[in-house]
Amino acid sequence: AQRVTQPEKLLSVFKGAPVELKCNYSYSGSPELFWYVQYSRQRLQLLLRHISRESIKGFTADLNKGETSFHLKKPFAQEEDSAMYYCAQSPSGSARQLTFGSGTQLTVLP
Amino acid sequence: DTGVSQDPRHKITKRGQNVTFRCDPISEHNRLYWYRQTLGQGPEFLTYFQNEAQLEKSRLLSDRFSAERPKGSFSTLEIQRTEQGDSAMYLCASSYNTGTGNGYTFGSGTRLTVV
Repeated sequence: AQRVTQPEKLLSVFKGAPVELKCNYSYSGSPELFWYVQYSRQRLQLLLRHISRESIKGFTADLNKGETSFHLKKPFAQEEDSAMYYCAQSPSGSARQLTFGSGTQLTVLP
Repeated sequence: DTGVSQDPRHKITKRGQNVTFRCDPISEHNRLYWYRQTLGQGPEFLTYFQNEAQLEKSRLLSDRFSAERPKGSFSTLEIQRTEQGDSAMYLCASSYNTGTGNGYTFGSGTRLTVV
């Protein structure tokens, strides 16, 4: 069965510090990987996807097939980055069902 | 089009009652998904539709759950004989099937509390 692991439920960093949210996946093929974010009192929204290799709000994520990881990184955290972050995967080829991790609550301290 | 809409936002019901939730996807999206999210967990897949066809159902979707998407537009999720374990946030999402994994657009969810 597909599994996405986010080992940290809570993560706190100071403003301006680098941040890395960890994500490991279990799918043996070539999955599609995503990061979703949920800000306080807002709906879950797509942050970035590995196929586009883009940087959104200063965040990047690199797919490492050898380590089956898709960690989310930002060099300088901002207070507005405080949110719940979910890593998700789906089988390659189409955006069928997503398997989500349990999420990491990021708090950026002033 | 204001995105994916879900109704109601909150529902409190007594154990044993039936409840029905509605989801209106983004109009040009042909795929619609239902997920369930309990406290401290990520969303868990329940079922999805491509147009009006229900293509996949999770084992989480017991016989008490049924979903429909008549005419490939809005969808309803019904839970019969609710149990306290059904208390959760029920999320709807939609996407357009381009085969490139462009992610979903989620609704705000319906929070169900079974008392």
